[in-house]
Amino acid sequence: DTEVTQTPKHLVMGMTNKKSLKCEQHMGHRAMYWYKQKAKKPPELMFVYSYEKLSINESVPSRFSPECPNSSLLNLHLHALQPEDSALYLCASSQDVGTAAYGYTFGSGTRLTVV
Amino acid sequence: AQSVTQLDSQVPVFEEAPVELRCNYSSSVSVYLFWYVQYPNQGLQLLLKYLSGSTLVKGINGFEAEFNKSQTSFHLRKPSVHISDTAEYFCAVSERGTGFQKLVFGTGTRLLVSP
Repeated sequence: DTEVTQTPKHLVMGMTNKKSLKCEQHMGHRAMYWYKQKAKKPPELMFVYSYEKLSINESVPSRFSPECPNSSLLNLHLHALQPEDSALYLCASSQDVGTAAYGYTFGSGTRLTVV
Repeated sequence: AQSVTQLDSQVPVFEEAPVELRCNYSSSVSVYLFWYVQYPNQGLQLLLKYLSGSTLVKGINGFEAEFNKSQTSFHLRKPSVHISDTAEYFCAVSERGTGFQKLVFGTGTRLLVSP
């Protein structure tokens, strides 16, 4: 299995809703990442998990809350989002943070719309 | 810190014509270089990467890129494009070093292949 699977593919949520994005990989990768991509822009790093522990938070607002329940699963919990948070949210993984240079595997993303 | 410049936001080309997508980077240390492709409503797929060794790198789907250290460039080429190559192409760089090295993306180049 050489894929990163993200669910749901599309999500529409109100500003008072609570929702979660899910990411799963079975490649034995020990580093997982959340990226945010606005329309016609490059992906921007949000969080880095290494061996199931939060390693880097790129000054992301607290309305985004990541969680890594086990080595294969990464969640992003969303609460009280703003319309400007609408974007494509990408999950990625790599063998570990030190060998990320050898390549990330990206999921297909969740297209989030906040209304 | 490293940075990436993709000078062309959009490159129109006819099917079966050659194409070159330009990428220049800036860094005070040695780097790893990457090209990713993003098809509409998809995640990112690694096309090719330069880590070390031969400066001419071959990737998937007939693409290749050449690392030029003196010009700090990593241009992507394909001798004959197909309609299916229409996509967004991102050049990315990460610095060599221990631990996590952030992957920094360029702003992307949209390749438009027409019949």
